[in-house]
Amino acid sequence: AQTVTQSQPEMSVQEAETVTLSCTYDTSESDYYLFWYKQPPSRQMILVIRQEAYKQQNATENRFSVNFQKAAKSFSLKISDSQLGDTAMYFCAFMNYRGGRDDKIIFGKGTRLHILP
Amino acid sequence: EAGVAQSPRYKIIEKRQSVAFWCNPISGHATLYWYQQILGQGPKLLIQFQNNGVVDDSQLPKDRFSAERLKGVDSTLKIQPAKLEDSAVYLCASSFGRDNEQFFGPGTRLTVL
Repeated sequence: AQTVTQSQPEMSVQEAETVTLSCTYDTSESDYYLFWYKQPPSRQMILVIRQEAYKQQNATENRFSVNFQKAAKSFSLKISDSQLGDTAMYFCAFMNYRGGRDDKIIFGKGTRLHILP
Repeated sequence: EAGVAQSPRYKIIEKRQSVAFWCNPISGHATLYWYQQILGQGPKLLIQFQNNGVVDDSQLPKDRFSAERLKGVDSTLKIQPAKLEDSAVYLCASSFGRDNEQFFGPGTRLTVL
């Protein structure tokens, strides 16, 4: 069974600093997606960034980038120039890409990130 | 574009009572998901619909939970009877297809006393 582990339950950084959130996963599959989701205090979850396992290039979205290490099964999120609005719960997630019934998203337990003024 | 709508936003019930949650997905989204998010954990998929058919309900406690998606649009999730451990936020999400981005609703926070 696939698992997603986020080893940092909570982090705090000063505004404008760079922060990296860690995520590791376990799977025997070779084709899959990885995601980072953001859940602000209002609780509406939004997708931050998505990575296809077959792509070697790390995904980036403005201030958000990932470090995808497929062999190490590691998928960290880097937030540059952090802003107060980045304060949220961040979930790392994994999804198989086999077209089967078990192609569900599996979420980690999350990292609560506080951006301090 | 309107997002995923859910109601109610909050619900408090006593154990053994019944409760129902409603979800209206984004227009045109064929795939609809219900997740359970217990405090301090990530969301867990309960059931996934493709149009009005069930794709995956392997993690749905079928002795007490039921869900339907009539006409392939709105969906309801019901719990009958509720237990204390059902206290959680119930999230609905929708996507154009199974490989497309999921858009989440604001969730329904259920407290079972």
